[in-house]
Amino acid sequence: GQNIDQPTEMTATEGAIVQINCTYQTSGFNGLFWYQQHAGEAPTFLSYNVLDGLEEKGRFSSFLSRSKGYSYLLLKELQMKDSASYLCAVLDSNYQLIWGAGTKLIIKP
Amino acid sequence: DGGITQSPKYLFRKEGQNVTLSCEQNLNHDAMYWYRQDPGQGLRLIYYSQIVNDFQKGDIAEGYSVSREKKESFPLTVTSAQKNPTAFYLCASSFSENTEAFFGQGTRLTVV
Repeated sequence: GQNIDQPTEMTATEGAIVQINCTYQTSGFNGLFWYQQHAGEAPTFLSYNVLDGLEEKGRFSSFLSRSKGYSYLLLKELQMKDSASYLCAVLDSNYQLIWGAGTKLIIKP
Repeated sequence: DGGITQSPKYLFRKEGQNVTLSCEQNLNHDAMYWYRQDPGQGLRLIYYSQIVNDFQKGDIAEGYSVSREKKESFPLTVTSAQKNPTAFYLCASSFSENTEAFFGQGTRLTVV
């Protein structure tokens, strides 16, 4: 079966750095997405990786290793507004998105 | 302003009643999707449509129906056959299969 694994919950301190990991086993791979979702709201797009390596976008970076079936989202200089769930999703060989359950990130002052 | 709109945000229905959730987009996207989100689970695909007048079942289509008569609109009907309809429903659209999806604000459906 297809599976996406992410930690259920993480806690970090304002101003610090946090890394949210995502491992996947899917039938084929056509890219990996990260989304941010505040409670009760719609997910919003953060990043898309299809090749190995690090993609940097402001305070957020996303890394992909296809051989290891692994990605991480790195958030720097954490702000209180970064408290949200972070969703990892993989596009499989049929171009269907397989979603992880999300990681709830709690930021403490 | 371009975007994707779901309505209503909250919806209450009695058990045994069908209910239709609205989804409209003005992004000129060909692909549209309906997801269901339950606590502790990833988004699960109900139906998707890549083009007008065509749609495909997702992983949990039983008890749901859709139509795609216009490019801009993809309404979802939750029928009385859906055993556990209380959930947060998200509509999304994308330009193509491997581009980012834009989501509506979601509809929280409660069946009592």
